[in-house]
Amino acid sequence: AQTVTQSQPEMSVQEAETVTLSCTYDTSESDYYLFWYKQPPSRQMILVIRQEAYKQQNATENRFSVNFQKAAKSFSLKISDSQLGDAAMYFCAYRVETSGSRLTFGEGTQLTVNP
Amino acid sequence: NAGVTQTPKFRILKIGQSMTLQCAQDMNHNYMYWYRQDPGMGLKLIYYSVGAGITDKGEVPNGYNVSRSTTEDFPLRLELAAPSQTSVYFCASSSGQGFGYGYTFGSGTRLTVV
Repeated sequence: AQTVTQSQPEMSVQEAETVTLSCTYDTSESDYYLFWYKQPPSRQMILVIRQEAYKQQNATENRFSVNFQKAAKSFSLKISDSQLGDAAMYFCAYRVETSGSRLTFGEGTQLTVNP
Repeated sequence: NAGVTQTPKFRILKIGQSMTLQCAQDMNHNYMYWYRQDPGMGLKLIYYSVGAGITDKGEVPNGYNVSRSTTEDFPLRLELAAPSQTSVYFCASSSGQGFGYGYTFGSGTRLTVV
């Protein structure tokens, strides 16, 4: 079974600083996608960034970037120039084409941004 | 606006009651999913569907039932509600054309069983 592990239940960062959220996963599949979702207090699930396993280049979306280490099965999220609006729960997720193409989520990391 | 619509947004049930959580999408997505999110936790898959008439169990299906008679609708039925089913329920959909895309999520239903 595929599993996703986020070892940091809570993290905090000062406004304008950089923070990295960790994620590891376990799979026997060769083709898959990895995602980071943001969930603010509104409960809305917002896609932050995604990475295809076949691409060696790390994905980047504005202030958000990932460090994808396929051999280590690691997928961390870096948030640069942190803003108060970045405060949220962040979920790492994994998706394969089989089994209904389901998303498997980690337990989440609660990010606090201090002014 | 196009998207996934969940109703109701909030509901309080008494132990043993039943209810149906509604989910509808207008994007012609084949794949639809139901997740539950317990406080401070990640999302767990309850049931999913890859098309009308096709459903399958996820990680935590006990106490729930689903049906998919149309592409648009994917209702989740709770029979004999129990306090352990207190949670936030999310419905989501995906086109199925390329699993590299994420889901479109509904806004969630907060259910409390007392």
